[in-house]
Amino acid sequence: DTGVSQDPRHKITKRGQNVTFRCDPISEHNRLYWYRQTLGQGPEFLTYFQNEAQLEKSRLLSDRFSAERPKGSFSTLEIQRTEQGDSAMYLCASSLAGRQRGEKLFFGSGTQLSVL
Amino acid sequence: QKEVEQDPGPLSVPEGAIVSLNCTYSNSAFQYFMWYRQYSRKGPELLMYTYSSGNKEDGRFTAQVDKSSKYISLFIRDSQPSDSATYLCAMSGGWNYGQNFVFGPGTRLSVLP
Repeated sequence: DTGVSQDPRHKITKRGQNVTFRCDPISEHNRLYWYRQTLGQGPEFLTYFQNEAQLEKSRLLSDRFSAERPKGSFSTLEIQRTEQGDSAMYLCASSLAGRQRGEKLFFGSGTQLSVL
Repeated sequence: QKEVEQDPGPLSVPEGAIVSLNCTYSNSAFQYFMWYRQYSRKGPELLMYTYSSGNKEDGRFTAQVDKSSKYISLFIRDSQPSDSATYLCAMSGGWNYGQNFVFGPGTRLSVLP
């Protein structure tokens, strides 16, 4: 169990460019979440997957954002036509969820995006 | 009113002090309550996880939940400089609750040697 892994750790891009982030969850976990965090704020929900199915997306999520989890393992988050307001820490988290009580969320170290 | 409120601090205490961190919430559907610790430029790390009302202790950390008041607390005893971090409370209504986890904005804590 190596924990949740995110790549890259830092990304600097110019406004209008596309960026893609990768997340590798804890191997036996079936749920994978993407969050965004800005300075002084808690993580803000973007979307989550159960296995390969994307079950929910935030109503705040722009159409420029898309996420995939093609084989129910790793996930990618793509932002098209980046804007300066997209600058934030993008956090991935995973959990083992089922009909038992509770669900514990484990986070990766995040990808810090800076849009110039 | 935000769904989860938390005093953002910053909070500065001397080494060895008892620290009290608090969150209030508005959604009575929340049943699971968590505290995360986040160091600068790192992801949040799960510290405490509790279900429903009551207390839970783990070493120097104690989590309290009062569902009737919609109020949760984290106490840190004998605080250390290594406890300096941002502490996030988080809540969930359960495995089939939409958008599962809701986070507070975090409280920045500095423990001074």
